[in-house]
Amino acid sequence: AQKITQTQPGMFVQEKEAVTLDCTYDTSDPSYGLFWYKQPSSGEMIFLIYQGSYDQQNATEGRYSLNFQKARKSANLVISASQLGDSAMYFCAMRERTQIAGGATNKLIFGTGTLLAVQP
Amino acid sequence: DTEVTQTPKHLVMGMTNKKSLKCEQHMGHRAMYWYKQKAKKPPELMFVYSYEKLSINESVPSRFSPECPNSSLLNLHLHALQPEDSALYLCASSQGPPGANVLTFGAGSRLTVL
Repeated sequence: AQKITQTQPGMFVQEKEAVTLDCTYDTSDPSYGLFWYKQPSSGEMIFLIYQGSYDQQNATEGRYSLNFQKARKSANLVISASQLGDSAMYFCAMRERTQIAGGATNKLIFGTGTLLAVQP
Repeated sequence: DTEVTQTPKHLVMGMTNKKSLKCEQHMGHRAMYWYKQKAKKPPELMFVYSYEKLSINESVPSRFSPECPNSSLLNLHLHALQPEDSALYLCASSQGPPGANVLTFGAGSRLTVL
């Protein structure tokens, strides 16, 4: 079975500094995808960044980058130049491909999340 | 603005009521999902619809009944719920495999069962 682990329940960072949120995973599927989502207190899940298992380079999206270390099975999120608006819950997630009648479908399984607080 | 619209945003119901949560997307996505999220916990998958057919049911109690009337709409019918069913219900959609299959989530429907 696939598994996602986030070991940091909460993190503090000073505004304008960089912060790394940890994520490790375990899967026997050679083809997988890793995602990071942000969930503010309003509740909506906001997609931040994606890394495919066969991608050679680390994914980047603006201030977000994913430090993908395949051998270590880690996919840490790096947020550069933190802003007050970055305060939220951050979830790491992995795509699990499931065979069904007539084809395949995907489901996303989530880690337990890291609550990030950006301090002025 | 989110591209997945969920209504209502808040719902309070008694244990004998029948209510429905609605979800709509116009991105041409072929897969739609219901997740349940309790406070301070990660979302847990309930159902997946792929090409308007139920493809995954994660052993959800029958008091939750999903429906996908067409490729843009997803409903979750609620009947005889328990107080422990109070949670944030998130709908999501995606293009489906193959590819990255990024899920786009709605803002959620916050349900309280009295």
